[in-house]
Amino acid sequence: EPEVTQTPSHQVTQMGQEVILHCVPISNHLYFYWYRQILGQKVEFLVSFYNNEISEKSEIFDDQFSVERPDGSNFTLKIRSTKLEDSAMYFCASSEIQRQQYFGPGTRLTVT
Amino acid sequence: EDQVTQSPEALRLQEGESSSLNCSYTVSGLRGLFWYRQDPGKGPEFLFTLYSAGEEKEKERLKATLTKKESFLHITAPKPEDSATYLCAVQALSGGSYIPTFGRGTSLIVHP
Repeated sequence: EPEVTQTPSHQVTQMGQEVILHCVPISNHLYFYWYRQILGQKVEFLVSFYNNEISEKSEIFDDQFSVERPDGSNFTLKIRSTKLEDSAMYFCASSEIQRQQYFGPGTRLTVT
Repeated sequence: EDQVTQSPEALRLQEGESSSLNCSYTVSGLRGLFWYRQDPGKGPEFLFTLYSAGEEKEKERLKATLTKKESFLHITAPKPEDSATYLCAVQALSGGSYIPTFGRGTSLIVHP
């Protein structure tokens, strides 16, 4: 069964550094998403991406964040100048239509 | 104020003891209500989408229902492998955007 994959599974970075989180969505899906989940808290929507542009974004998704689909298979989340409070699990998801989303296993980001 | 509230926060059941999880929401312009299952350290796994009041969907021991103010996830004769956190999310018009909002989840433990 096709699945969303994410790399790395765990990323440790120092405050102020830039990180790029990688996702490979399911191949025939058209909609892509990033979410985050701070430890012990609820899942929070960051951004959705369709047709090579951002379709929705939350208040969390400020100028510190950017997304890119550099080729036909990858979908990346870049976090510039990381802060301690960016430590969280980051989930990528994809969907064929704008309904049933398939989530990846997540990348745990630790900012020290 | 949370727009999506799930109750109870935690639920312990004996194997075979049926119960229901609740998800209440205060949004208007509901576009869809989603149920997910999340195992520790993993991404949410899609279960159901409900679109309109009165709608019901079933999958194995799970049945989801929707009213104008809440949704229930009924678990019939649960098994230990049903132990997980169950997440509810709503997608509704907010500030001109359809951004998914998750509840904090119900942690279910089913004892053999």
